[in-house]
Amino acid sequence: DTAVSQTPKYLVTQMGNDKSIKCEQNLGHDTMYWYKQDSKKFLKIMFSYNNKELIINETVPNRFSPKSPDKAHLNLHINSLELGDSAVYFCASSQDKTGVNTGELFFGEGSRLTVL
Amino acid sequence: AQSVTQLGSHVSVSEGALVLLRCNYSSSVPPYLFWYVQYPNQGLQLLLKYTTGATLVKGINGFEAEFKKSETSFHLTKPSAHMSDAAEYFCAVSVRFSGGYNKLIFGAGTRLAVHP
Repeated sequence: DTAVSQTPKYLVTQMGNDKSIKCEQNLGHDTMYWYKQDSKKFLKIMFSYNNKELIINETVPNRFSPKSPDKAHLNLHINSLELGDSAVYFCASSQDKTGVNTGELFFGEGSRLTVL
Repeated sequence: AQSVTQLGSHVSVSEGALVLLRCNYSSSVPPYLFWYVQYPNQGLQLLLKYTTGATLVKGINGFEAEFKKSETSFHLTKPSAHMSDAAEYFCAVSVRFSGGYNKLIFGAGTRLAVHP
């Protein structure tokens, strides 16, 4: 039973298109994240939501818009895709801040986005 | 600001040899430290973590790491490498910010190659 699942796993699209990636976690965690991994494997946090509230919004183009309909889901919508958006996008979750919150993350398998 | 430096983007060892992957951190407060492993085309999996207590931390697959405050280091070791250990390894530090939330800041990663 997958803990953090993302769809789609692969996404190939043309420049200028709009696309979405979905993420769901069944761990009962309150906090979810989007990370971007570039071609050099560097991981950078993009957004985080705690119980549907945006708590982290790093310097990301406003073409990227996260949405959390409930605490188990965090989606990422990207408008007007550019070549530089090609990357692997990872969803992750962590337990809520009221627990012993060390920041440990549980990752999904990643969604590889290729913009042509 | 908290950060993580991994020395050596590529490390190559022979099967059965000692594995040593280096990680140094900067943090103004006692850190929470993590090592994650990423196998090809997969998400990140927690190897081990240091939060408090014993400074020598044991993880999965025979890996361990030692937190050395005086050296601001958290190097990852394994006495005897297996072919299956070939992967990308990431060191991370947990950063606490306002509201009691944490986020993980990752190092650039070290690719471990294991030769027969």
